[in-house]
Amino acid sequence: NAGVTQTPKFRVLKTGQSMTLLCAQDMNHEYMYWYRQDPGMGLRLIHYSVGEGTTAKGEVPDGYNVSRLKKQNFLLGLESAAPSQTSVYFCASSFTGANQPQHFGDGTRLSIL
Amino acid sequence: GNSVTQMEGPVTLSEEAFLTINCTYTATGYPSLFWYVQYPGEGLQLLLKATKADDKGSNKGFEATYRKETTSFHLEKGSVQVSDSAVYFCALSSGGSNYKLTFGKGTLLTVNP
Repeated sequence: NAGVTQTPKFRVLKTGQSMTLLCAQDMNHEYMYWYRQDPGMGLRLIHYSVGEGTTAKGEVPDGYNVSRLKKQNFLLGLESAAPSQTSVYFCASSFTGANQPQHFGDGTRLSIL
Repeated sequence: GNSVTQMEGPVTLSEEAFLTINCTYTATGYPSLFWYVQYPGEGLQLLLKATKADDKGSNKGFEATYRKETTSFHLEKGSVQVSDSAVYFCALSSGGSNYKLTFGKGTLLTVNP
């Protein structure tokens, strides 16, 4: 039972480079989320999706784009990476409806030099 | 807006000690409350939840009671083990977007043998 799988697990980029983080879930969840986790900041929501083909901005969306072309996948893109985007990124998914728990992947550790 | 405040860590205890991690919240409406746990190198896992006032969530020996009058959801365990060493996050969902979570900053717990 894979749950939520994030690819890659680690990545080092140079400032200005671009990359895409992939999240895949096999639980048929409607909702998906991208967070970043920084020391002393907890988790902050970047973007989220309430269904295939939909995306919406979260708390800290600047510098990121997302796409949800298939229900099971949620992609997070960095068009021009900046050192401030060095962080651990988590993807999560959940069923529809109020107060459903979110299921998290193991994270992607991203360093921007 | 919604916010969660949890006690600053790190918290260091000896095995079999009593644990309390304080969590208070500010929210519109009637939030649902969650505790998530993050073990080293992993994503967050739901530990327990409570969806209405006076509910008690429990799991793996951990408990938390939803106290509306004090806007609190403190996490407790009577006897901690080394394997409980992790980061604990308090979170809530509330309002019209009640599938989105607002997290506290996390509390690092270390249990020594």
